[in-house]
Amino acid sequence: GAGVSQSPSNKVTEKGKDVELRCDPISGHTALYWYRQSLGQGLEFLIYFQGNSAPDKSGLPSDRFSAERTGGSVSTLTIQRTQQEDSAVYLCASSQTVGINYGYTFGSGTRLTVV
Amino acid sequence: AQSVTQLDSHVSVSEGTPVLLRCNYSSSYSPSLFWYVQHPNKGLQLLLKYTSAATLVKGINGFEAEFKKSETSFHLTKPSAHMSDAAEYFCVVSLWVGRRALTFGSGTRLQVQP
Repeated sequence: GAGVSQSPSNKVTEKGKDVELRCDPISGHTALYWYRQSLGQGLEFLIYFQGNSAPDKSGLPSDRFSAERTGGSVSTLTIQRTQQEDSAVYLCASSQTVGINYGYTFGSGTRLTVV
Repeated sequence: AQSVTQLDSHVSVSEGTPVLLRCNYSSSYSPSLFWYVQHPNKGLQLLLKYTSAATLVKGINGFEAEFKKSETSFHLTKPSAHMSDAAEYFCVVSLWVGRRALTFGSGTRLQVQP
């Protein structure tokens, strides 16, 4: 597609429920990132996928968070047993290649509210 | 290790006056540097990027930034602010070795007064 697509755009869930957030990157982009933006704060790195390499999960805040990327394209971020502190905007970005010479294209994000 | 500091959390200017958003970075290697803009309830849009070519980088919407290695700075400027420039701006540093992730500054909220 023309841009990075994220769904849903908004999600309200009850505390303790599981949620799945989807990211559809730009076709051909090998690198995919998930970030979290909490109210009044900057962006927090969660996880990074690059091609067929093992993902960099070092930013995931707890074992309730997991992500996968199927076929090197679509990615799903899953949060189990959601807590109120999980409320944030979750942003996905993709890049044509790793590192230096390319900007990263971000999706519009999924606004997650845990009540 | 890499880090980025945006020196002002809020900047307010009058329409038609210059804009200066300050950013300092720290990096063990030669980084790539980016500025992103985020309008309310919108995703992040790339304004411009520095990748070791020209030190003065021109971006979209009349913005530009100058990479100054001696000062470890990458300040964002615009000669004349427009009302539509009101948004949150993020300075971002990225290494091409090691952990392949972007490090974001905490953001600067730009207000443009009529």
